[in-house]
Amino acid sequence: NAGVMQNPRHLVRRRGQEARLRCSPMKGHSHVYWYRQLPEEGLKFMVYLQKENIIDESGMPKERFSAEFPKEGPSILRIQQVVRGDSAAYFCASSPIALTVFGYTFGSGTRLTVV
Amino acid sequence: TQLLEQSPQFLSIQEGENLTVYCNSSSVFSSLQWYRQEPGEGPVLLVTVVTGGEVKKLKRLTFQFGDARKDSSLHITAAQPGDTGLYLCAGAETSGSRLTFGEGTQLTVNP
Repeated sequence: NAGVMQNPRHLVRRRGQEARLRCSPMKGHSHVYWYRQLPEEGLKFMVYLQKENIIDESGMPKERFSAEFPKEGPSILRIQQVVRGDSAAYFCASSPIALTVFGYTFGSGTRLTVV
Repeated sequence: TQLLEQSPQFLSIQEGENLTVYCNSSSVFSSLQWYRQEPGEGPVLLVTVVTGGEVKKLKRLTFQFGDARKDSSLHITAAQPGDTGLYLCAGAETSGSRLTFGEGTQLTVNP
């Protein structure tokens, strides 16, 4: 029973390039959440998606960032024209129901380094 | 915006000692969750407390949710080097879909 799978684990991009981060939720989970962890900081909510729908993107920067969770395939967090400040660990979590109250299963994260 | 303050930020103790980590807020949460994160990995859920005043025990770890559901504590008895890690508290908002995380407590237990 695989957990939440994220890839790549490490991603290096030059300034101005695009970064694509993938997240496959646990089997049977249709709710996906993305969080960002900057160095020496806690996790910050970015976006909550269900299959084919963005439910809450209030934590995501308005420009350059987008997320999707298609009917088939993993959820994708896309960062266009990356800048050094985008360097962080990006974590995906999934849950079987919409309630946040019981906690999430997180993936191992993608560590993005912008050079 | 709801905020969670965790203290202490860093804690270095000897094996066998007891410790308490605190998580405080001025906001009410529908639940408080504690996660542990190791370097290079994602947070792993330890426990969820839902009812005000609730106490949960997980071996040597005791978690408590404040009566007003605004704060929580994690107490570790007889700490071991394997307890070393980043401990994060997270509050689930009463409405909405996000977790609000504290900044974390980096615990080091020296043998």
